[in-house]
Amino acid sequence: DGGITQSPKYLFRKEGQNVTLSCEQNLNHDAMYWYRQDPGQGLRLIYYSQIVNDFQKGDIAEGYSVSREKKESFPLTVTSAQKNPTAFYLCASSISPTYSSYNEQFFGPGTRLTVL
Amino acid sequence: KQEVTQIPAALSVPEGENLVLNCSFTDSAIYNLQWFRQDPGKGLTSLLLIQSSQREQTSGRLNASLDKSSGRSTLYIAASQPGDSATYLCAVSLLGPDSNYQLIWGAGTKLIIKP
Repeated sequence: DGGITQSPKYLFRKEGQNVTLSCEQNLNHDAMYWYRQDPGQGLRLIYYSQIVNDFQKGDIAEGYSVSREKKESFPLTVTSAQKNPTAFYLCASSISPTYSSYNEQFFGPGTRLTVL
Repeated sequence: KQEVTQIPAALSVPEGENLVLNCSFTDSAIYNLQWFRQDPGKGLTSLLLIQSSQREQTSGRLNASLDKSSGRSTLYIAASQPGDSATYLCAVSLLGPDSNYQLIWGAGTKLIIKP
C-alpha cells in the first residue's frame, strides 16, 4: 500500500519550543516538498529536496529547517524563530526531480500545528 | 511574477447541476497545470494534470481545459453530487529563478453541493 504518511495529525506547541513534523513516503519518489497552508491563501513552499542529502529553500523558509538523510523521509522542524507557526502543513513527493517539467506531486494527509 | 487566481472563493449549487470552476494565471509560460481536491482537514488529491501542449483532460465526470494564451483553465463537473463538496485548488508549474520547476497555487474554490 504505497503512499505518503505524515505524523502527528495534530500537534500543539508552546511558544519557544521546537517541534518536528514527520513525512515518510514509500513511492520511491526522488523529490519531496513541504508546504504551509493558511486560510484563504494558496499553498506556500517552505523547503524542497531533489535527492538525498540535498535540499533547497522555498519561498518561506525562515524559521524552518529540514533534513533528507534517507530517500523515504523528509522531516520538517519548526523552530522558535518562526513567529507565526500555527498552520496546516502538507508534505508532498514527486517521481521526478524538480528539473523535469513533469513533476506531478502527491500529497500526505497533513499536520495541523497549533501554538498555545 | 506569476499569480494564480481562483474565482469565486466559494460556490454553492443544488445537486445534479453541471458546474464550472475557474482558474486564471498571469504568465502563459507554464509547463503544466494541475487541479486538486481537498477535503476539510485533509491532504490534497490530484484530479487532473494538463501538459502545456494539451487542451483538455477528462476523468469520469470531470473535464479540465487549458487555454494558455488567455491564461485560463476551467474544471467542469458534470451531474454534481454531495460527495463532490470540497475545496478545489489549481496550481501551475513553471521554471523558477533557480532553474527548478515550481508550483504556484491558487487559493482554491470551496464547493458545496446541496442535496
